Amino acid sequence: QQQVKQSPQSLIVQKGGISIINCAYENTAFDYFPWYQQFPGKGPALLIAIRPDVSEKKEGRFTISFNKSAKQFSLHIMDSQPGDSATYFCAASDSWGKLQFGAGTQVVVTP
Amino acid sequence: KAGVTQTPRYLIKTRGQQVTLSCSPISGHRSVSWYQQTPGQGLQFLFEYFSETQRNKGNFPGRFSGRQFSNSRSEMNVSTLELGDSALYLCASSAWGEGTDTQYFGPGTRLTVL
Repeated sequence: QQQVKQSPQSLIVQKGGISIINCAYENTAFDYFPWYQQFPGKGPALLIAIRPDVSEKKEGRFTISFNKSAKQFSLHIMDSQPGDSATYFCAASDSWGKLQFGAGTQVVVTP
Repeated sequence: KAGVTQTPRYLIKTRGQQVTLSCSPISGHRSVSWYQQTPGQGLQFLFEYFSETQRNKGNFPGRFSGRQFSNSRSEMNVSTLELGDSALYLCASSAWGEGTDTQYFGPGTRLTVL
């Protein structure tokens, strides 16, 4: 079964807008939560990651919000650009490093 | 440092054949993981090798196997190919054990089974 649930499946946002992708997990042993960006024909590339001892992490236009009690985390893409059009995957792993991925969100940024 | 490399990039096989895919990790990384990506099932973990030992295994049949060499390069093998094995096979390397969990992915091998 899917250990990490991701929504929405797809979203369309205007240039300059905010893209928000949500993920939820059940396994409390997860202690590392990365987000990956994937372009067609390419492998996933690490975007940003967070550990449960931090509630928010920001890198440039990308922010992860983490709610440990709700077992949820989200990715916010501020000032979305057409070059951000890609598929985004949330993931989670325990101390052994086996990544469990969400189903992915296809983001389209319109000019 | 050079990134993760995978060869070949594309493969076409027929049902019943077997295939071997290769992955060269980032220099210094001793952990190599393999994932299968399909439109229907998404990204699924196959197995992980660390210092030539399989440390983790996903829920795939025994037709899927792998190994890691002393230089950390890894191969995965799929025997008796089925149509459903058509997928993008991704390899990721990590400096696990050295204070980081970050996995870096290669470009993948696109396998088509006819």
